[in-house]
Amino acid sequence: QKEVEQDPGPLSVPEGAIVSLNCTYSNSAFQYFMWYRQYSRKGPELLMYTYSSGNKEDGRFTAQVDKSSKYISLFIRDSQPSDSATYLCAMSTTGANSKLTFGKGITLSVRP
Amino acid sequence: KAGVTQTPRYLIKTRGQQVTLSCSPISGHRSVSWYQQTPGQGLQFLFEYFSETQRNKGNFPGRFSGRQFSNSRSEMNVSTLELGDSALYLCASSPGGIGYEQYFGPGTRLTVT
Repeated sequence: QKEVEQDPGPLSVPEGAIVSLNCTYSNSAFQYFMWYRQYSRKGPELLMYTYSSGNKEDGRFTAQVDKSSKYISLFIRDSQPSDSATYLCAMSTTGANSKLTFGKGITLSVRP
Repeated sequence: KAGVTQTPRYLIKTRGQQVTLSCSPISGHRSVSWYQQTPGQGLQFLFEYFSETQRNKGNFPGRFSGRQFSNSRSEMNVSTLELGDSALYLCASSPGGIGYEQYFGPGTRLTVT
């Protein structure tokens, strides 16, 4: 079982839709959770960063973490064509030998 | 603040050669991590440097090495290149290291022929 599993996609939605992106993980030592957006031929851009269970909102984006179920989600409200990109979840442990582990990413396409 | 910069952006090398990639972190950030991104394996952690010391290392062969200078700039070296080393190499800068926000550069696309 991989440490981080992400829905493979691709995902296509109409403009204005609510998008839900999900990741599950198996390592209970993960303490920090991130979502990145990556446009074609660019580096990943940090969208959301959180370290506790619950919701964190930033504009049209909401990150949700459920540590008891080992499940994280990213919700995008009122999706726009400019949101079309690959979304990667990432999580890390703390202390010595910590590393950032990424999901494979899901490609989102928002149709005008 | 200026973002993370990586040079060169594109590189074509031949099998058996070696290559050095460079990364300049965000000013004030002391941690630089390197990642390899391929379509098949996704983003994989190579190593992290903090204040010139390697703190963490991923599961890559010893052909992959790095270093960090006193100004936090970092270099990654790959010796004896193989076709499978073709990938996008990304570096990420962070104020505190793994577990803190990681800010990525645009990457260096390496093609090995």
